[in-house]
Amino acid sequence: GDSVTQMEGPVTLSEEAFLTINCTYTATGYPSLFWYVQYPGEGLQLLLKATKADDKGSNKGFEATYRKETTSFHLEKGSVQVSDSAVYFCALSEGSNDYKLSFGAGTTVTVRA
Amino acid sequence: SQTIHQWPATLVQPVGSPLSLECTVEGTSNPNLYWYRQAAGRGLQLLFYSVGIGQISSEVPQNLSASRPQDRQFILSSKKLLLSDSGFYLCAWSVRVLAYGYTFGSGTRLTVV
Repeated sequence: GDSVTQMEGPVTLSEEAFLTINCTYTATGYPSLFWYVQYPGEGLQLLLKATKADDKGSNKGFEATYRKETTSFHLEKGSVQVSDSAVYFCALSEGSNDYKLSFGAGTTVTVRA
Repeated sequence: SQTIHQWPATLVQPVGSPLSLECTVEGTSNPNLYWYRQAAGRGLQLLFYSVGIGQISSEVPQNLSASRPQDRQFILSSKKLLLSDSGFYLCAWSVRVLAYGYTFGSGTRLTVV
């Protein structure tokens, strides 16, 4: 079935460092791709999304580009802050239906001052 | 605008006691509804989803059950809790996953003692 694989953490960075979290997917159809963020003790929030190939999603300084040729949707931020410390989940909509997402295992990011 | 309410936020229950977690959605009709569990330091596990009143799909056989008595109400239950039921429970809703993904509630931290 459709699935996503994201890089394992934890990732520890210093403030103002560059962040990349890799996400690759396997899908038979034309999925949409999402990044969610979970701050400590909270539910997940949608960070950004892309619904077709070559789309770039962006929000709060984060970006990710839907690359069909490499089946990837890597998350990037040029200069992280302590407030970016969170767990990040890559997700894919299963192309066979319009009601279910498949999530990656999550990547824990800690940003040190 | 749409909102999702999930309660309680925190719950400590003894082994063998019953459980009822409730989730309600406002501002939309006929949403898809989901229950996820997140064990400590782990990813998301889909427990149940519902695409309509009285329609419940179970992803993982276990000590839990779900019901959808009204269009925008989703309840997670157990007759007798186990220690292994401890975790962070998240409710979510969607209408068109391909376009919008899910919206999550704030979660319930359940500790079974």
